[in-house]
Amino acid sequence: GDSVTQTEGLVTLTKGLPVMLNCTYQTTYSPFLFWYVQHLNEAPKLLLKSSTDNKRTEHQGFYATLHKSSSSFHLQKSSVQLSDSALYFCALSDPGTQVVGQLTFGSGTRLQVYA
Amino acid sequence: GPKVLQIPSHQIIDMGQMVTLNCDPVSNHLYFYWYKQILGQQMEFLVNFYNGKVMEKSKLFKDQFSVERPDGSYFTLKIQPTALEDSAVYFCASSLEVGVFAEQFFGPGTRLTVL
Repeated sequence: GDSVTQTEGLVTLTKGLPVMLNCTYQTTYSPFLFWYVQHLNEAPKLLLKSSTDNKRTEHQGFYATLHKSSSSFHLQKSSVQLSDSALYFCALSDPGTQVVGQLTFGSGTRLQVYA
Repeated sequence: GPKVLQIPSHQIIDMGQMVTLNCDPVSNHLYFYWYKQILGQQMEFLVNFYNGKVMEKSKLFKDQFSVERPDGSYFTLKIQPTALEDSAVYFCASSLEVGVFAEQFFGPGTRLTVL
């Protein structure tokens, strides 16, 4: 079945530094990938999404590129801010088995940014 | 932006009791979802619901679980009877459209503790 792997449970950084949060996936069919962000005591919100191979997608300073050759969709930002401290989830939607939009989530990466 | 509300935010009950988790979805959305997240694990799909019917459910959606949205009110998840392994955070989501790329809007979750 489908799976999503986020290898880092916690990433800690000083503000102003770049960050990359890893996401790899496994699916039989053409993948649709999402990044959700969840701030403390808030709902998860969609950050960005993509289904196009090798095309960079950007939103709110974050960007990610879907690479089907390596089954990856890493999230990056060139300069993190204190307000970026949150839990980040990578998720997969698969047209082969999930016609109605069921999402498969990774375990999440907590990003903690320090001053 | 559009918000999904979940009531209550926390619920503590004794094993064997019934519990109802309430979700107030985005007002014009048509598709509704429940996900379950056990502490330290990834969020997992339980069920989705459209036009008064369950469209798809996972193996986590046990016989003790049921969902409904009577007369356009709250979208509810009922567990009867509860078991210890039902302790988790339950996230509700809604979407205007369905499909592999449809954006799901999530609530902040209800933390259920079964004693």
